[in-house]
Amino acid sequence: GAVVSQHPSRVICKSGTSVKIECRSLDFQATTMFWYRQFPKQSLMLMATSNEGSKATYEQGVEKDKFLINHASLTLSTLTVTSAHPEDSSFYICSARRSALTEAFFGQGTRLTVV
Amino acid sequence: KNEVEQSPQNLTAQEGEFITINCSYSVGISALHWLQQHPGGGIVSLFMLSSGKKKHGRLIATINIQEKHSSLHITASHPRDSAVYICAVKTLSGNQFYFGTGTSLTVIP
Repeated sequence: GAVVSQHPSRVICKSGTSVKIECRSLDFQATTMFWYRQFPKQSLMLMATSNEGSKATYEQGVEKDKFLINHASLTLSTLTVTSAHPEDSSFYICSARRSALTEAFFGQGTRLTVV
Repeated sequence: KNEVEQSPQNLTAQEGEFITINCSYSVGISALHWLQQHPGGGIVSLFMLSSGKKKHGRLIATINIQEKHSSLHITASHPRDSAVYICAVKTLSGNQFYFGTGTSLTVIP
């Protein structure tokens, strides 16, 4: 299957700082990338959908000014958690797909701990 | 009520047993995914289904669109199959995904 690389896999940051997470499709062009968040023992929750060259569409309850998503190219999307707080500590996962008709492939996830 | 319901939530099996995980959904879908999440959190997409049945190695996934139900079967289970299995559906409208809460599988040697 196709490969989606997410970086970093783990990050610890201080409260109030910003953290950037990268999601790359290594062997295909991803017209759409998705960002998810997973709290301990809970299911994945879709945060936002981003199409290359367009503004991301955020799910209800997700603060767009806090979770900045950039999908500047067909192989890279970034999620920046701004002014991180301990309650933002979570597991963040991206997925990418070529088109609406194709399967989405997942990155390995980023475990964010805000101290 | 969740759009996607999985059962069981937890499952412990002896090595070699046949395992079934069920997924029911309440929305119109264009596709259903079975995902495997390892203890470290990484997710692997096992299957994407829109009808019928798919098989990959010891894994079999089936879907009944009329009944809005899918099953994931693992034959000859092995301790390395221990993981959380998640059912996810993509809505007919396109971009919306709904996820089940997952089934935590432990296979004992």
